[in-house]
Amino acid sequence: QKEVEQDPGPLSVPEGAIVSLNCTYSNSAFQYFMWYRQYSRKGPELLMYTYSSGNKEDGRFTAQVDKSSKYISLFIRDSQPSDSATYLCAMSEGGSNYKLTFGKGTLLTVNP
Amino acid sequence: KAGVTQTPRYLIKTRGQQVTLSCSPISGHRSVSWYQQTPGQGLQFLFEYFSETQRNKGNFPGRFSGRQFSNSRSEMNVSTLELGDSALYLCASSLKSGNTEAFFGQGTRLTVV
Repeated sequence: QKEVEQDPGPLSVPEGAIVSLNCTYSNSAFQYFMWYRQYSRKGPELLMYTYSSGNKEDGRFTAQVDKSSKYISLFIRDSQPSDSATYLCAMSEGGSNYKLTFGKGTLLTVNP
Repeated sequence: KAGVTQTPRYLIKTRGQQVTLSCSPISGHRSVSWYQQTPGQGLQFLFEYFSETQRNKGNFPGRFSGRQFSNSRSEMNVSTLELGDSALYLCASSLKSGNTEAFFGQGTRLTVV
């Protein structure tokens, strides 16, 4: 079983839709959770950074972490064509083992 | 504020050669991590440097090595290149070691032929 599982998609939605992206994980030691957006031929861009369980909102983006279920989500409201990209979840134990473990990414296309 | 800068952006090398990639972190950031991204394996952690010392290492063979200079700039070296080393190599910058909030550069696309 992989440490982090992420549905690769592809996911195609109309402009203005609410998008839900998810990851599950098996390592209960993960405490830091991140979402990155990666456009084609670019490096990953940090979108959301959260510690432990709970919700965090930033503009049209909301990140949710449920440590009891080992499940994290990213919601995108009022999706735009410019949101079309690959979305990667990443996690870390922190402390002395702070390397990031990534999901494989979900390819999202928002159609005008 | 300038972001993470990686050079070169693209490289084509022959099997058996070696290659050196460079990364300049965000100004003030002292930790540099390296990742390999391939379609099959996704993003995988190579190693992390802080204060010119390797602090953490992933599961890659010894052909992959790196170093960090006193100005926090880092280089990654791959010796005896194999076809399977073809990948996007990404550098991530953090304020300090153990800080999981990492910012990535654009990457170096390495093709081994």
